Amino acid sequence: EPEVTQTPSHQVTQMGQEVILRCVPISNHLYFYWYRQILGQKVEFLVSFYNNEISEKSEIFDDQFSVERPDGSNFTLKIRSTKLEDSAMYFCASIRTSNTGELFFGEGSRLTVL
Amino acid sequence: DQQVKQNSPSLSVQEGRISILNCDYTNSMFDYFLWYKKYPAEGPTFLISISSIKDKNEDGRFTVFLNKSAKHLSLHIVPSQPGDSAVYFCAASVIQGAQKLVFGQGTRLTINP
Repeated sequence: EPEVTQTPSHQVTQMGQEVILRCVPISNHLYFYWYRQILGQKVEFLVSFYNNEISEKSEIFDDQFSVERPDGSNFTLKIRSTKLEDSAMYFCASIRTSNTGELFFGEGSRLTVL
Repeated sequence: DQQVKQNSPSLSVQEGRISILNCDYTNSMFDYFLWYKKYPAEGPTFLISISSIKDKNEDGRFTVFLNKSAKHLSLHIVPSQPGDSAVYFCAASVIQGAQKLVFGQGTRLTINP
């Protein structure tokens, strides 16, 4: 069964460092997302991406964040200068059409900022 | 911003009995509702959904009920099995939006043998 894959599974970084989280969405999917879950809190929407551009972003997704689809398969989330409060599980998700909300999520990348 | 709320952080149910998980929402623009299941160290997995034009959707042991006037939905699992032990998230979206799901806080369901 096709799945969304994410790397790394866990990354530890120093505050102020740049981090890139990678995702390979399901191959025939057209809409891509990043969500995050801070420990003990709810899963929160960060950004959606369609047709090579951001379609919607949340207040969390400030200038420190960026997304890119550098080739036909990868979808990346970059955090330019990490802060302690960026520590969270980051989930990539994808969907083929926009008619339903049945997103397919990856297993997540745990980011720990020290 | 508590647009989707799951007021019970945990629920414990005997194997074979019915599990009922509840969710309330405040935004009347939501027109699609979903339940996701999450195991530790895994991403959320879609379970079942319902459009706002329906009041019930059933898939095997799982049934979702929607009460639009009360802005309330519930997930029924019957009979409950040990493998159902997980965190269950309610989520809502606006179909015409960019599939921005708004999640509840989750309810940890434990099925006791």
